Amino acid sequence: GAGVSQSPRYKVAKRGQDVALRCDPISGHVSLFWYQQALGQGPEFLTYFQNEAQLDKSGLPSDRFFAERPEGSVSTLKIQRTQQEDSAVYLCASSQTPGTSGIGEQFFGPGTRLTVL
Amino acid sequence: QKEVEQNSGPLSVPEGAIASLNCTYSDRGSQSFFWYRQYSGKSPELIMFIYSNGDKEDGRFTAQLNKASQYVSLLIRDSQPSDSATYLCAVKRREYGNKLVFGAGTILRVKS
Repeated sequence: GAGVSQSPRYKVAKRGQDVALRCDPISGHVSLFWYQQALGQGPEFLTYFQNEAQLDKSGLPSDRFFAERPEGSVSTLKIQRTQQEDSAVYLCASSQTPGTSGIGEQFFGPGTRLTVL
Repeated sequence: QKEVEQNSGPLSVPEGAIASLNCTYSDRGSQSFFWYRQYSGKSPELIMFIYSNGDKEDGRFTAQLNKASQYVSLLIRDSQPSDSATYLCAVKRREYGNKLVFGAGTILRVKS
């Protein structure tokens, strides 16, 4: 596809349920990022992949959050035992530039709005 | 102190005027600076990036960077109602990889 796609677009979970959010980056983009955006705030970094390697997971708020990108393309963000404070929009972005070289503009997908009841 | 600060607004300007959006950052090691536009309920869309001191122009948009003052701004000339959105400033530091650190955004309203 032409852009970053994410699914589902909306997810309602009961507290304690596990959820899995999918991201399909722009074809050929090496770098993939997950961000969390709370209402009225800017996106906050969660984790970063370069190909299949997870190079930075410093933004994951707890060990209930887990991300993977096993074949270096599609990525899944999993949240176990969801809590109400996990309610947010989860944004995926991809970038053509790997590592620390270049500008590495990031292009965002439409996001998944997670509501935990 | 937040790493990237923006006035939350809303900033209201009349149609045709220049809108000036400002952003300050605390990390002197920041190297690249980005402006994203986000319409309500939509994802951020990249408008411009800048990494050298001075001005960078692209159509109606001009980004300005002053590293000594740790200040970056976005000017929108001939503002249109369709420019009404939240504008997010983001910074990146090479040593921290490619992650972006965002401000909370400034709401811009262009009145026709």
